[in-house]
Amino acid sequence: QQPVQSPQAVILREGEDAVINCSSSKALYSVHWYRQKHGEAPVFLMILLKGGEQKGHDKISASFNEKKQQSSLYLTASQLSYSGTYFCGTRDSYSGSARQLTFGSGTQLTVLP
Amino acid sequence: DTGVSQDPRHKITKRGQNVTFRCDPISEHNRLYWYRQTLGQGPEFLTYFQNEAQLEKSRLLSDRFSAERPKGSFSTLEIQRTEQGDSAMYLCASSLGKVRGTGSFRLSNEKLFFGSGTQLSVL
Repeated sequence: QQPVQSPQAVILREGEDAVINCSSSKALYSVHWYRQKHGEAPVFLMILLKGGEQKGHDKISASFNEKKQQSSLYLTASQLSYSGTYFCGTRDSYSGSARQLTFGSGTQLTVLP
Repeated sequence: DTGVSQDPRHKITKRGQNVTFRCDPISEHNRLYWYRQTLGQGPEFLTYFQNEAQLEKSRLLSDRFSAERPKGSFSTLEIQRTEQGDSAMYLCASSLGKVRGTGSFRLSNEKLFFGSGTQLSVL
């Protein structure tokens, strides 16, 4: 079952912060975040595993609350380069295949100068 | 790495025609995936190869779809008797996955590298 992302779209000014949420009705084993710019390939951002760890690089970080089956992606002091569509992918089993990786419908982020 | 490449980038065809797409994964990657993406949606899994073996196929993949990965290198996805509903972006992704039993099986850390896709339009 497809995870639900919110909001569907967000517009912000350079330097502002944003949060993108991803939730599932199933118990999750891992959450994967990708960013896709228009006309380009989705690019891997990070993976979060069971255990509620928070990961990050640069000013993009994410958390995973396995009890609530939710993950949030935090973009701090947004840069123009952050614009794109963000997808979360969830895995709800220990299956040995990415078939179990189900993507949400995406959050379109636009950063204005 | 040179990245995942897909060919062609765009394909326009008439309903009923056959089309074939090619994907060249990152050379050392043993896993290859095909996904389909429609406007406003995330990628949907179609099929998966480990080396040359096709291990899984989605229920989305009708009998008109066939995929191959000869010698575990490049892969082709063929759609026969195309329908307008087949219009979509077809994405290929590859990854370096460890086979269960040969070491710690870290699927949880599996990172997919996507190609830029083939945009199919069926008229």
